[in-house]
Amino acid sequence: EVQLVESGGGVVQPGGSLRLSCAASGFTFSNYWMHWVRQAPGKGLVWVSRVTTEGSGSDYADSVKGRFTVSRDNAKNTLYLQMNSLRADDTAVYYCTRSLTYGSGDFDYWGQGTLVSVSS
Amino acid sequence: QSALTQPASVSGSPGQSITISCTGTTSDVGGHNYVSWHQQHPGKAPKLIISRVSNRPSGVSNRFSGSKSGNTASLTISGLQAEDEADYYCNSFTSSHTVVFGGGTKLTVL
Repeated sequence: EVQLVESGGGVVQPGGSLRLSCAASGFTFSNYWMHWVRQAPGKGLVWVSRVTTEGSGSDYADSVKGRFTVSRDNAKNTLYLQMNSLRADDTAVYYCTRSLTYGSGDFDYWGQGTLVSVSS
Repeated sequence: QSALTQPASVSGSPGQSITISCTGTTSDVGGHNYVSWHQQHPGKAPKLIISRVSNRPSGVSNRFSGSKSGNTASLTISGLQAEDEADYYCNSFTSSHTVVFGGGTKLTVL
């Protein structure tokens, strides 16, 4: 059974940092591009970032470029999102997801999400 | 990276059909066939219901269908059922190698 389990969310002050993790199981993690998608309370889905199968390539939404860094450890079957210079508008549930087709948006499995709250 | 445009809400009665539109540009919806649709029930993670414009993943009801014309993709749900009441999101691969979502559409089954 495919499982994606996020962790690392919590409350952080503006300007602070947080590192999210996503533990994958039930599939060959290294075969899939992985993504982060977020959803602010009561709002819609927003794509955040993606990383290639080997971790050598990544892309970011303009809103997080230069502040967030996505990475992966295929030996540990784990995806990461390092979030720096956090702002109030980064407050959201962050989902880890995998795409069926390279870097496209056909996300067939999702984690349960981890809540990040940026507040003073 | 402007969000794709979806109607905020649509509604229909059980048994009816509804269509949700998703409008983008030649840099996203119109330039690729990587358009997907997800369904999200309150408090739940999204579920993939359509990939690559019109492909239905295994296990998804054939009442769900997708299409595309120019810069607009569409999701049609036929034979509406109470359980279809949810939020629906389109997304597209973009020429910038990113993914952009629509703002979401709330479907109400009357």
